[in-house]
Amino acid sequence: GENVEQHPSTLSVQEGDSAVIKCTYSDSASNYFPWYKQELGKRPQLIIDIRSNVGEKKDQRIAVTLNKTAKHFSLHITETQPEDSAVYFCAVPAGGFQKLVFGTGTRLLVSP
Amino acid sequence: SAVISQKPSRDICQRGTSLTIQCQVDSQVTMMFWYRQQPGQSLTLIATANQGSEATYESGFVIDKFPISRPNLTFSTLTVSNMSPEDSSIYLCSVQTSTGNIQYFGAGTRLSVL
Repeated sequence: GENVEQHPSTLSVQEGDSAVIKCTYSDSASNYFPWYKQELGKRPQLIIDIRSNVGEKKDQRIAVTLNKTAKHFSLHITETQPEDSAVYFCAVPAGGFQKLVFGTGTRLLVSP
Repeated sequence: SAVISQKPSRDICQRGTSLTIQCQVDSQVTMMFWYRQQPGQSLTLIATANQGSEATYESGFVIDKFPISRPNLTFSTLTVSNMSPEDSSIYLCSVQTSTGNIQYFGAGTRLSVL
């Protein structure tokens, strides 16, 4: 089955710094790569996703890059703010690409 | 996107009892899923709820413990049966719309078993 590794498990930055979270996957046929943000006590929220036909996608301060050859994709957050503090999960399709397998999560702490 | 209503939002139950969690979507969706999220952990897929047929369970999860129903394209239930303290967790439903693999999550049910 699909194997997803996510690093780092925790990340502490100062407000205004950039943060990068990386995920690697095993199935080279995977074609959809979402990132979810989960604030404490809340549901996971889709914040950005990318499909395999592009290498990068941006939405204001967040971006996702994809390297299909190396089978990894990364979440980039620029000009971090305290409200970016949360747990971030990557995910990859599996099982005929109907379901998602989630990474282990990264706890991001942005200090003022 | 989809508006997902999940209830109850939380419950405290006695061991040996069962709890049924409901998930209602405001529009017809192709796929519905049930996840478990233990404290401080990632999301683990329990099963895919199939409309009109038996759910598809992931390794480590069985129908006798987690029976699932999906009578139509907007509603599903997950029952946690014969509960023990190890079942204390957050249970989340998610739906996948017809537009690609995008999944949206319900607010979750926080279950505590005494």
